Amino acid sequence: DTAVSQTPKYLVTQMGNDKSIKCEQNLGHDTMYWYKQDSKKFLKIMFSYNNKELIINETVPNRFSPKSPDKAHLNLHINSLELGDSAVYFCASSQTRYNEQFFGPGTRLTVL
Amino acid sequence: AQSVSQHNHHVILSEAASLELGCNYSYGGTVNLFWYVQYPGQHLQLLLKYFSGDPLVKGIKGFEAEFIKSKFSFNLRKPSVQWSDTAEYFCAAYNTDKLIFGTGTRLQVFP
Repeated sequence: DTAVSQTPKYLVTQMGNDKSIKCEQNLGHDTMYWYKQDSKKFLKIMFSYNNKELIINETVPNRFSPKSPDKAHLNLHINSLELGDSAVYFCASSQTRYNEQFFGPGTRLTVL
Repeated sequence: AQSVSQHNHHVILSEAASLELGCNYSYGGTVNLFWYVQYPGQHLQLLLKYFSGDPLVKGIKGFEAEFIKSKFSFNLRKPSVQWSDTAEYFCAAYNTDKLIFGTGTRLQVFP
């Protein structure tokens, strides 16, 4: 049973396109996150939702918009994709804030 | 702002060698600390965590870490590494609501 799942696993697209990444967790956790991992493996928080409420919104271009339709899902929509958006995007969840986070398998986004 | 530093960027060891990876955090208050591992092409998995109590924490796969408050450190250790330990290792600490990651240490273990 997959705890945190993401789709798609790979996403290759042209500059200027709009794309979405979906995340689902079946752990019953209250808090979900989006991270970006760059080519040097550096991980940075982008957004966090707690019980469908946005609690962390880092300095991320407003082309990125998260949406949490319910506690188990957190999607990421990206408008007008740029070359610099190429990275691996990880979704994660935790039971509550400050607890250990469980990560999804990642979505490798390549913008051409 | 809180930061997490990992001083070893790339470590190369032979099998059966002992491992110690350094991690320092900058926040002086109560901290929740973690070590995660990322095997090639995979997602992050939790190795161990420290919230409070015994400063010597045991994790999965024979890893352990020691929290030393006076040194703001949470170093990861393993007495004898295996080829399968080849991976990227991340130290992390909570700063209010955010989990701040170190820059990672790439460990390569040769048979």
